[in-house]
Amino acid sequence: NAGVTQTPKFRVLKTGQSMTLLCAQDMNHEYMYWYRQDPGMGLRLIHYSVGEGTTAKGEVPDGYNVSRLKKQNFLLGLESAAPSQTSVYFCASSYDGREDEQFFGPGTRLTVL
Amino acid sequence: AQSVAQPEDQVNVAEGNPLTVKCTYSVSGNPYLFWYVQYPNRGLQFLLKYITGDNLVKGSYGFEAEFNKSQTSFHLKKPSALVSDSALYFCAVRGRVGNYQLIWGAGTKLIIKP
Repeated sequence: NAGVTQTPKFRVLKTGQSMTLLCAQDMNHEYMYWYRQDPGMGLRLIHYSVGEGTTAKGEVPDGYNVSRLKKQNFLLGLESAAPSQTSVYFCASSYDGREDEQFFGPGTRLTVL
Repeated sequence: AQSVAQPEDQVNVAEGNPLTVKCTYSVSGNPYLFWYVQYPNRGLQFLLKYITGDNLVKGSYGFEAEFNKSQTSFHLKKPSALVSDSALYFCAVRGRVGNYQLIWGAGTKLIIKP
């Protein structure tokens, strides 16, 4: 039982490049989330999904797109990276969207030059 | 608007002493409340949550938290701190209606000195 995994762990991009972050969970959770963590700001929700084939915008969705084609996977895309997207990105999942705690992946550290 | 405040950026405690990490919130109606811990270069780990019932909630690693509705607080406590408790602690809240977003505090860095 691997829990929540994220690939890659580190990435350096140049401004304007694109990339996709992959999140996978093996707990059969319905809900999945993408967050970014910046110093002194806690976690901010980018997008989330309440089930396979569904996605919704969070607090800071601009510049990001997501897809949830399979229940166990949640992809985060950056179409044209900007320095402001330099951050640590965390994926999380939960069985229930209200009462249950979220399980987090180890994070992806992204630097945009 | 819903919000969470962790008024202390950093808390310093001597090993063996009790510790408190503060959290206050603003949300419509009764909240769901959570505490998470983040060790350096790691993802967040769940510590405990308040859903309903007893206001004193016990969680992992000997931590507990007390839900105080009148003061809209959910402070994290531990009777005797360990050096290994040094980490970043986050409080989070979600309302019982509306969307599924957790609202996160900015985090409190806990330093336990030997």
